[in-house]
Amino acid sequence: SSELTQDPAVSVALGQTVRITCQGDSLRSYYASWYQQKPGQAPVLVIYGKNNRPSGIPDRFSGSSSGNTASLTITGAQAEDEADYYCNSRDSSGNFVVFGGGTKLTVL
Amino acid sequence: QVQLQESGPGLVKPSGTLSLTCAVSGGSISSSNWWSWVRQPPGKGLEWIGEIYHSGSTNYNPSLKSRVTISVDKSKNQFSLKLSSVTAADTAVYYCARDLNYYDSSGYYSSWGQGTLVTVSS
Repeated sequence: SSELTQDPAVSVALGQTVRITCQGDSLRSYYASWYQQKPGQAPVLVIYGKNNRPSGIPDRFSGSSSGNTASLTITGAQAEDEADYYCNSRDSSGNFVVFGGGTKLTVL
Repeated sequence: QVQLQESGPGLVKPSGTLSLTCAVSGGSISSSNWWSWVRQPPGKGLEWIGEIYHSGSTNYNPSLKSRVTISVDKSKNQFSLKLSSVTAADTAVYYCARDLNYYDSSGYYSSWGQGTLVTVSS
């Protein structure tokens, strides 16, 4: 299968914890990566692999995976975390890459 | 820190060919990374187009494969995208990106260009 499914929108109160999920058959074989995208900007990698953060990404961002579901957790969400979040992975065949439809995160 | 910069026409006529180039600076196109193109229609999500290794090996999105060609120019330290038979549905911001993995493509993109908007219209 070559689809990754994300909830279109999620909201979180300032300082609380939020989990954004990504589902797809390919996630049984491949770890996802997660991207934060703010309006008018290019995506920024926030989590990749099992649970790796690129340099400069706050440690409130973490990732996990179980079965066909990958999750991005933000512990203590900040106002600047309001953005669109996309997951991706290689497809089940490993021959190409697929993105999820994206989740719009609102910080209340 | 590698930097990527897309360039090319911002307007392409329907049925024509979209051509973009991604210039790489601060690093070599011949490094052991894969290089990719990703696009985003206005107000919509990200769509992977394809990738290339400096050897010339490529992988393409099956839904675009018949219209896409990605190539690499080592002498200019850049790679390029050609998308043929374009329609209004190909209107999007086009990004180039570098895979952070070495040798094997992972789909983990640690470096992105700023993106360039291409509009398909007569």
